Amino acid sequence: QVQLQESGPGLVKPSETLSLTCTVSGASIKSYFWSWVRQPPGKGLEWIGYIYYGGTTSYNPSLRSRVTISLDWSKSQFSLNLNSVTAADTAVYYCAKDRPSNYWGQGMLVTVSS
Amino acid sequence: DIVMTQSPDFLAVSLGERATINCKSSQSVLYSSNNKNYLAWYQQKPGQPPKLLIYWASTRESGVPARFSGSGSGTDFTLTISSLQAEDVAVYYCHQYYSPPHTFGQGTKLEI
Repeated sequence: QVQLQESGPGLVKPSETLSLTCTVSGASIKSYFWSWVRQPPGKGLEWIGYIYYGGTTSYNPSLRSRVTISLDWSKSQFSLNLNSVTAADTAVYYCAKDRPSNYWGQGMLVTVSS
Repeated sequence: DIVMTQSPDFLAVSLGERATINCKSSQSVLYSSNNKNYLAWYQQKPGQPPKLLIYWASTRESGVPARFSGSGSGTDFTLTISSLQAEDVAVYYCHQYYSPPHTFGQGTKLEI
């Protein structure tokens, strides 16, 4: 069955870059939209952006200047880079498949703190 | 950006009763070329990722119980749970995927 798993550091210092990877199994990463969504503790969901095989990307304008989503089809992975982070970027980060997303990773809490 | 506004923020319903959650978008999410509403509903329980319940405003995702239904078109949508079960306690979000950024409603917390 389709599975997604986020990985990366759970603690990032302010002004540094948050980097997460999502490993996909059970589905071809050469199809579908692949998304990142985040959820600050106790708050609602925020769409970060997506990538489609071939390189098409779309980002939330509120984050566009700081975010990059990339795809490594050889490893069946896609990644999120968010630079110049602040405490406001502390959240559970989810990777998800398709639009709308019918499969999600379990989520990874990333804390921005010195 | 398309703003999604849900009502109410909190809802308490007795077991076996009907629960209704509303969602309004700041602009239409109906794509005229295919007559589809780009509107989904998610259920999220504590410590879990969101679960897709409904897409295209009214199509139930595979495996979702028939007591969940979605309706509406254009800018006004409704999620209905026909007979509330204990396992339905969760936060529910509407979500538009018509145009980026793909925004979510603020969530409705459903309790018994």
